[in-house]
Amino acid sequence: DQQVKQNSPSLSVQEGRISILNCDYTNSMFDYFLWYKKYPAEGPTFLISISSIKDKNEDGRFTVFLNKSAKHLSLHIVPSQPGDSAVYFCAASAHYGGSQGNLIFGKGTKLSVKP
Amino acid sequence: DGGITQSPKYLFRKEGQNVTLSCEQNLNHDAMYWYRQDPGQGLRLIYYSQIVNDFQKGDIAEGYSVSREKKESFPLTVTSAQKNPTAFYLCASSGQGAITQPQHFGDGTRLSIL
Repeated sequence: DQQVKQNSPSLSVQEGRISILNCDYTNSMFDYFLWYKKYPAEGPTFLISISSIKDKNEDGRFTVFLNKSAKHLSLHIVPSQPGDSAVYFCAASAHYGGSQGNLIFGKGTKLSVKP
Repeated sequence: DGGITQSPKYLFRKEGQNVTLSCEQNLNHDAMYWYRQDPGQGLRLIYYSQIVNDFQKGDIAEGYSVSREKKESFPLTVTSAQKNPTAFYLCASSGQGAITQPQHFGDGTRLSIL
């Protein structure tokens, strides 16, 4: 049973426009959420995170929004650039028990930004 | 530069053979993790260690073994009991504290069966 779901396997946007990547989760104990970017044959690179005490976190072109009541988060990239083309993974963690810090990953969304 | 080093980048295993994947970090992180990625899938946790000389099974530990004798090192052995070992293996580490820290990843080892 998937606890973290990224329902869109792929997304294509035009350079300069906004990219919105979505993620849903089922476990109400999750209290920390992260987005990673991954190029083929490389490890994921940490992009941005958000704690459940916030509903928005911004870092340059990247903003993550968290809607706890809907168990939904999204990553906005504005403006999108061709170098943003990669697979984006959503991940979640629960700050409890012996598994503190362990991440549950979604299956990823492949973003293509066209010039 | 601080980071996580995985070696080798590519590894081939014969049937019935054990192989060991190396993971070294110089970030002074307490916690280390091993994940497996299959095509079109997310990352699945194999083993994790939050402190030296201690480690725990993740979601898919069967057919794998680990050790954590040093803070910097967390090698993963893929044993012959792992029937489908072909995958991309990723090692990660994170700091510990009152606030959850992001995990940082190495560049992975791709394991294939001959």
